[in-house]
This record gives sequence, C-alpha cells and structure tokens, in this order.
Amino acid sequence: NAGVTQTPKFRVLKTGQSMTLLCAQDMNHEYMYWYRQDPGMGLRLIHYSVGEGTTAKGEVPDGYNVSRLKKQNFLLGLESAAPSQTSVYFCASSLWTGAYEQYFGPGTRLTVT
Amino acid sequence: QQQVKQSPQSLIVQKGGISIINCAYENTAFDYFPWYQQFPGKGPALLIAIRPDVSEKKEGRFTISFNKSAKQFSLHIMDSQPGDSATYFCAASRGETSGSRLTFGEGTQLTVNP
Repeated sequence: NAGVTQTPKFRVLKTGQSMTLLCAQDMNHEYMYWYRQDPGMGLRLIHYSVGEGTTAKGEVPDGYNVSRLKKQNFLLGLESAAPSQTSVYFCASSLWTGAYEQYFGPGTRLTVT
Repeated sequence: QQQVKQSPQSLIVQKGGISIINCAYENTAFDYFPWYQQFPGKGPALLIAIRPDVSEKKEGRFTISFNKSAKQFSLHIMDSQPGDSATYFCAASRGETSGSRLTFGEGTQLTVNP
C-alpha cells in the first residue's frame, strides 16, 4: 500500500514550457486535491476533485488545469509556466464519508526560470 | 484573503518545555479543525483534530484547545522533544458539501533544542 505518490519529485522548467504532474493513490479515495506550498503562506488549494470525471477550482487556480479521468489519478497541468509558479506542489486524497483526514504525497519541487 | 490566521511564525522551545501555537478563523461554517505536522522534505500528516462541539482534545502529549465564541483554537505540545521539531499547520474545513476542502494557516516552524 503506497498511499499517495507523486511524479516527478523535482523539475526545472523554462518560462513558457509546459508540464504535467501526476498524482496516484491506492486507497480508493473519492476526493483528491492539489496544493501549492510557498514560504509563509501555508498550503493553498489549486484544484480539487470529488470523484472520477469531476474537478473544481480552489483558491489559486489561475495558470493550472487538472483532469481526473481515473479515480486513482489526478493530473495537474501547467500550460505555460511562469516564475510565479515556482513552488512545492502537494497532492492529497481523502474519503468522502465525513472523515476529513487528507493523506498527502511527498511533494514535487518545481522551479521555473 | 487568509481565513485562518496562525501564530507565531516560528517558535524555539527547550526540551521538556511546552510549545503553544495559536490559530484564529473567520468563517463560522467551519466544522472541523485539524493540525498537520510536516517534517523537512515530506508531505504534511494529520496530527490531531477537533470538532466544535468539544472544547479540548488530548492525544498523548498533544492537546487542542478550542474556543468557539472567540473563533480560536490552539495546539499545546507538552514535554516537547527534539523529534517534535517540524512545521505545524492548523486548518479548517466546511465539510463534505464543500468537498471537505481544507483552509490552512500560514504554518509555524517549531525548533526544540536539546
């Protein structure tokens, strides 16, 4: 049981390049989330999904897109990376039955130059 | 707009001392208040959580105190140990109708000196 895994662990992009971050969970959780973590700002929700085929905007969605084609996977895309998107990205998942605990992946450190 | 405010930003405590981290929230619809612990290079992990129908919850050396009227809650770490050195985040959620989304505080970097 691997829990929540994220790919890749590190990435350096040039401004304007695109990339996709992959999150996978093997706990059969309905809900999945993408956060970004910046110093002094805590974790901020980018997008989330309450089930396969559904997505919704979080607190800071601009510049990102997501897809949840399979229940166990949640993809975060950057179409045209900007230096302001330099951050550590965390994926998380949770059950839907009122258990609000979120299980986090190990994170992806992204640098945009 | 930060709906959950956390203080202090950093905290240094001696081994055996008490660490106290405070959070304040604005939205009275929040109904779940967890604390997450994050070690360097790792993702956050749930430490302890409370719902607003109780004023205190204790798990080992960790206690949450909750003041509904003041819209404040705090984490107390008794007998703090060097292994407790980590970043702590408070959070709040409005429940399943909002996708169980968590709103996090800014984080507190705790250092426990031996």
